[in-house]
Amino acid sequence: AQSVTQLDSQVPVFEEAPVELRCNYSSSVSVYLFWYVQYPNQGLQLLLKYLSGSTLVESINGFEAEFNKSQTSFHLRKPSVHISDTAEYFCAVSEVTTGRRALTFGSGTRLQVQP
Amino acid sequence: GAGVSQTPSNKVTEKGKYVELRCDPISGHTALYWYRQSLGQGPEFLIYFQGTGAADDSGLPNDRFFAVRPEGSVSTLKIQRTERGDSAVYLCASSAGLANTGELFFGEGSRLTVL
Repeated sequence: AQSVTQLDSQVPVFEEAPVELRCNYSSSVSVYLFWYVQYPNQGLQLLLKYLSGSTLVESINGFEAEFNKSQTSFHLRKPSVHISDTAEYFCAVSEVTTGRRALTFGSGTRLQVQP
Repeated sequence: GAGVSQTPSNKVTEKGKYVELRCDPISGHTALYWYRQSLGQGPEFLIYFQGTGAADDSGLPNDRFFAVRPEGSVSTLKIQRTERGDSAVYLCASSAGLANTGELFFGEGSRLTVL
């Protein structure tokens, strides 16, 4: 079984400031890692994912996340946020070796970008 | 439509009633998932279909919850004898292929309120 912890339920930040949303996971097997984003009045969308290879992965809108196996973390960062980044962000994991396809989600972090 | 469609978007019912929630996945997606999201929480896995069969129903909380996908496309989540604790947003997602790489496409959800 896995679990995902997002310690910050809300993160207020000013526009053009950097931001980090924290994610830690616990699992007895190897996992794939994901960040999903939910904009107001929209469904969840995949933002980025780590499957294998380079531990640093990037999204098309400037977010990046780094897989740190020793710290079991997958923190999400952006060097300069925009108002349009205001949304709820969910970290998630799925098991690699068992083939169980269900994602386990964290409780989410609400990013509030202020002008 | 091009995305995952869920109906109704909102459902208010009384304790003890029966409800059905419908999901129409992206055309051609063989995998379909149901999740439940309570206020302030991340999505919680309920059941996963591969084609017409339930490949993993380990997340269904009890026998009041049941889901079907008779033709491998549209799915219905059925809740009998609803309780106030069933109030949540029920999310449906679909994906293509067999790999558990986590790229799920979510609908906007059906908000269920049990009075």
